[in-house]
Amino acid sequence: DAKTTQPNSMESNEEEPVHLPCNHSTISGTDYIHWYRQLPSQGPEYVIHGLTSNVNNRMASLAIAEDRKSSTLILHRATLRDAAVYYCIPLNSGGYQKVTFGIGTKLQVIP
Amino acid sequence: DTGVSQNPRHKITKRGQNVTFRCDPISEHNRLYWYRQTLGQGPEFLTYFQNEAQLEKSRLLSDRFSAERPKGSFSTLEIQRTEQGDSAMYLCASSLAGERFFGPGTRLTVL
Repeated sequence: DAKTTQPNSMESNEEEPVHLPCNHSTISGTDYIHWYRQLPSQGPEYVIHGLTSNVNNRMASLAIAEDRKSSTLILHRATLRDAAVYYCIPLNSGGYQKVTFGIGTKLQVIP
Repeated sequence: DTGVSQNPRHKITKRGQNVTFRCDPISEHNRLYWYRQTLGQGPEFLTYFQNEAQLEKSRLLSDRFSAERPKGSFSTLEIQRTEQGDSAMYLCASSLAGERFFGPGTRLTVL
C-alpha cells in the first residue's frame, strides 16, 4: 500500500482558508486520493476524493499535483466545526484496500 | 448520522471476558470493514467483507478475534478472552465503491 506523509498539526484562524498537504509519492497510477476527517469522539467522515483533476464539493476542494505525488485539501473558510483530524489515503477504484489510516493532521481553528 | 450504526456504543468488561459488537451497515452497501483505533492513532484495518464473504484479515486480528457477516447484512466482531491491550475504539464502515461511511464506533475498555 502507498505511504502518505502529513504534518502532525496545523492551525488556522476562523474564516480564513486552510491548505492541508499530503505527500503520497508511492501512489499507484490507479489509486484515487481520498480525504477523511474525524471529529472528536466520532467515526471518520468522508470529505472528498479525486484521481488526477482538481475536485470541488460543498465541503472542500482537492488540488492534485500533476505528478500525483502530492495533494492539498483546501477548506475555503475554516469554521470551528472544521477542527478535526484530517487523513489522506490512497484507495483503488474498486475501493477495497486493507488500508490503515496514518496519524493524520490535527487542525486547530482559532476563533 | 452516516446511516451506519454500531452497538453498543460503550463496553466495559473485565479481562478474560468475551465481548461481541454489532455493526449495521447502509442497507445497499455490499462492502463492510472493521477497524480498530487507539488514542492518538488513525484507524487500523482489521478485516473486510464483500457480501457475506470475509476476504481479508489483518495480521492484527489474532485468533481471539472473529468476525462474521451472515447473509451479507449486519456484522459482528467478537473478542474472546479480552486483554487490556484490546482497549480501543472499534469502528465499522460500509461502502459500495470507494467512499466509506463510518459508524460512530464502539469504545471498549478492558479492566
